[in-house]
Amino acid sequence: QSVLTQPPSVSAAPGQKVTISCSGSSSNIGSNYVSWYQQFPGTAPKLLIYDNDKRPSGIPDRFSGSKSGTSATLGITGLQTGDEADYYCGTWDSSLSAAYVFGTGTKVTVL
Amino acid sequence: QVQLQQWGAGLLKPSETLSLTCAVYGGSFSGHYWNWIRQPPGKGLEWIGEINHSGSTNYNLSLKSRVTISADTSKNQFSLKLSSVTAADTAVYYCARGLGTRFGENTRWRFDPWGQGTLVTVSS
Repeated sequence: QSVLTQPPSVSAAPGQKVTISCSGSSSNIGSNYVSWYQQFPGTAPKLLIYDNDKRPSGIPDRFSGSKSGTSATLGITGLQTGDEADYYCGTWDSSLSAAYVFGTGTKVTVL
Repeated sequence: QVQLQQWGAGLLKPSETLSLTCAVYGGSFSGHYWNWIRQPPGKGLEWIGEINHSGSTNYNLSLKSRVTISADTSKNQFSLKLSSVTAADTAVYYCARGLGTRFGENTRWRFDPWGQGTLVTVSS
C-alpha cells in the first residue's frame, strides 16, 4: 500500500556510513518536502529529519537528509549499535487522493 | 513540551467499532492538525486522517467511508472511530501532531510528537 519505496534492509559495521533511499513520484516527493522517522521495536516512531534536510533539536548531526527529483536519501555516519532501528520516509501526496504517505521502511543493522 | 497520551479498547470483534482517544498535554490544541496513524504487526505506517481545532477533517480515501475523527477542544482531546472492523484493521494505532505548512505543492509536513501507541486486535 506504501507509495514510497525503500530498501528492506541496509547494514554496516560500527563507525561506517549507511544511506537509505526513498523513491516516489512527481505527486509526492517530486512536489513536497520529505521527513524521516526512526522507530525502535515496540515504540512509537520519532521524527529524525524534516523539510528534506533539517534536524529537530536533539538529533545528532550524524543523521542527514537530502532530496533530488522524486527521490530522497537518509544518511547515517559514524554508525552506532544504538542506531539499529527501522527508518521510514514520509511526505504529503498532492494527487487527487491527497494524503500523507510513508515509505515501506528500512531496517538498519549494525554488524 | 507537548506530550500525547492515548487510550482505548484493545480487543474487538469483527463488525464492531474501534474507538480511541488522544489527550494533548503541555501545548496549544489550536493551530495544529491532530492525526491518527496505524501500523499492522510487522508492517509499515499508514496515515488514517486528521482534524484541526476548528473541526476540519481530512481522511485517507482508503478508509474514509469508515472513519470519523472528532475533537473536544475543551479537554484538548481528539478521537478516532473506525466502524465495521475486520482482522485487517488489527494494528498499533498512534496519535500524532502534524506540523508544517500546506499550500498544495511544496507542502512541508511532519509528525511530532507521537503518542505511545495502542494495539488494537480484531478477532472473533
